[in-house]
Amino acid sequence: GAVVSQHPSWVICKSGTSVKIECRSLDFQATTMFWYRQFPKQSLMLMATSNEGSKATYEQGVEKDKFLINHASLTLSTLTVTSAHPEDSSFYICSARTAQGNNEQFFGPGTRLTVL
Amino acid sequence: GENVEQHPSTLSVQEGDSAVIKCTYSDSASNYFPWYKQELGKRPQLIIDIRSNVGEKKDQRIAVTLNKTAKHFSLHITETQPEDSAVYFCAASTNAGKSTFGDGTTLTVKP
Repeated sequence: GAVVSQHPSWVICKSGTSVKIECRSLDFQATTMFWYRQFPKQSLMLMATSNEGSKATYEQGVEKDKFLINHASLTLSTLTVTSAHPEDSSFYICSARTAQGNNEQFFGPGTRLTVL
Repeated sequence: GENVEQHPSTLSVQEGDSAVIKCTYSDSASNYFPWYKQELGKRPQLIIDIRSNVGEKKDQRIAVTLNKTAKHFSLHITETQPEDSAVYFCAASTNAGKSTFGDGTTLTVKP
């Protein structure tokens, strides 16, 4: 149980375009989902916390107008990178926490974004 | 906010030896401490975790210890094997569920 999927697994886009990444909890309801970004050979950096039915909470330094997060249901959160630039190229990983609230997070497989 | 420091950044051991990775945290409200193994291009995989009401936990070759007073916790891998080679991350989390990750340790197990 506790499976999280992400789509797409990789995407290449042109500079200036927008890209949407989906994160789904397949067999449980996720009241909270987290979005991370990971640059090569670096740690996971939390971008934002997404709560179902409310606005996402962004970490300091993360532009909310550039990284749009929507958590429309208990099984789906989306991250849209707007007006992407080469410096946005990274590995984006989501995670989900169950409603039981025991702190454990279940990670998606990640999305490799390359902006040309 | 929470600050997690992890050492060493790289660790090379001979197959069969033990490996120890240490982390410290700053927020006394943190009460959940997972350890993840991440292979290149893959998602982090939870290998063991410990909660603040426990001092030690063991799962076969892997163990974690927690010292709440000193705010540090450690991962111990015994009888290392080449397939243990990966990047390992510690993390600290509060009841809100937000995790702060350490910078990672690249473990290389030489055959």
